[in-house]
Amino acid sequence: ILNVEQSPQSLHVQEGDSTNFTCSFPSSNFYALHWYRWETAKSPEALFVMTLNGDEKKKGRISATLNTKEGYSYLYIKGSQPEDSATYLCAFQNTGNQFYFGTGTSLTVIP
Amino acid sequence: GAGVSQSPSNKVTEKGKDVELRCDPISGHTALYWYRQSLGQGLEFLIYFQGNSAPDKSGLPSDRFSAERTGGSVSTLTIQRTQQEDSAVYLCASSFYLTGDQPQHFGDGTRLSIL
Repeated sequence: ILNVEQSPQSLHVQEGDSTNFTCSFPSSNFYALHWYRWETAKSPEALFVMTLNGDEKKKGRISATLNTKEGYSYLYIKGSQPEDSATYLCAFQNTGNQFYFGTGTSLTVIP
Repeated sequence: GAGVSQSPSNKVTEKGKDVELRCDPISGHTALYWYRQSLGQGLEFLIYFQGNSAPDKSGLPSDRFSAERTGGSVSTLTIQRTQQEDSAVYLCASSFYLTGDQPQHFGDGTRLSIL
């Protein structure tokens, strides 16, 4: 079983603050790194899929970077809003097409 | 369009009973995955199906767990002789095909409680 670690486990920020989380994963047998947002009472929603070292992806106020050599990815949220409150999951996809999820970072944005 | 559909949304059953969970993936998606999330844990991979290939069952926790995918579409996850540690949210996801840049689309899950 591979170890995919996310930090911090939980985070409370004020509306308007910018924040970031970390996902660390094995650097061997890498195929892709996925980020999902999971809101309470809903199903996980795909944010980004990154495959190349140095990849940067952006969707509105949310962006992500990838370093496959050292095995980490950062997710950034600029100007947090209450609707950003959710658990953010990362998933490591290996060359065998198996997925390993982290336990997530729970974000609460305080109005 | 229709997303991934799972049923039932909640299931409460007695220890020792068998349960069947159903997943209806997005039409045309060839890859289908089952995961579970136990309390306080991350998503745990169980099994995936890709087209007509043999499924990857490497994540199934015991021989009480099995899954089928009929006609390349609907899948059922069966848990025999349920135990209390089987209590979890079981999530199904599908994707168009198994390449690195295809995200998974998740259903709302089945919350299974074993008494």
